[in-house]
Amino acid sequence: GDSVTQMEGPVTLSEEAFLTINCTYTATGYPSLFWYVQYPGEGLQLLLKATKADDKGSNKGFEATYRKETTSFHLEKGSVQVSDSAVYFCALSKGGGSNYKLTFGKGTLLTVNP
Amino acid sequence: DVKVTQSSRYLVKRTGEKVFLECVQDMDHENMFWYRQDPGLGLRLIYFSYDVKMKEKGDIPEGYSVSREKKERFSLILESASTNQTSMYLCASRRPTGTSGGSEQYFGPGTRLTVT
Repeated sequence: GDSVTQMEGPVTLSEEAFLTINCTYTATGYPSLFWYVQYPGEGLQLLLKATKADDKGSNKGFEATYRKETTSFHLEKGSVQVSDSAVYFCALSKGGGSNYKLTFGKGTLLTVNP
Repeated sequence: DVKVTQSSRYLVKRTGEKVFLECVQDMDHENMFWYRQDPGLGLRLIYFSYDVKMKEKGDIPEGYSVSREKKERFSLILESASTNQTSMYLCASRRPTGTSGGSEQYFGPGTRLTVT
């Protein structure tokens, strides 16, 4: 079945450091790919997405490119801030109607120190 | 803005009690979901409703049931709560677009349930 593998955390960085969180997927067909973020005490919210190969999603300084050849969707940010401390989830979805399915990775906890 | 609300942020129940978790969305979304979130396991889908009165089992439906009588409301029911159902429960909704699965899910803030 479909699956998402993301790097295990926790990841601890200093403010202004470069961030990469790796995500690879296994899926048949043509999934859409997402990064969701969960700030402490809150539900998940969409950070960015890409719906086809070579698309780049971007938001709040974060970027990820849908690489079909390597089945990857790595999350990057050039300069992290303390406010970026959160859990990040990579996910894929496909299908419509009752066949729709969203599959999550296990999440990566990011802590940014001042 | 889409808003998904859950009836409680924190809930403590005793083993064997019947527990209702309520979720309401205000954007007329067809699809609604219940997940549980546990450390080291990420999010796991319990049940999914793709429209009113329609439901599909997710990956871990055992011990749970759901009800969707109105489009905006999706209820999760624990028929007889057990300690292994202590978890964070997240509700989400989505408007389906086509067959590619490309539209996002909107999540509520979660209910942290403790069963003692």
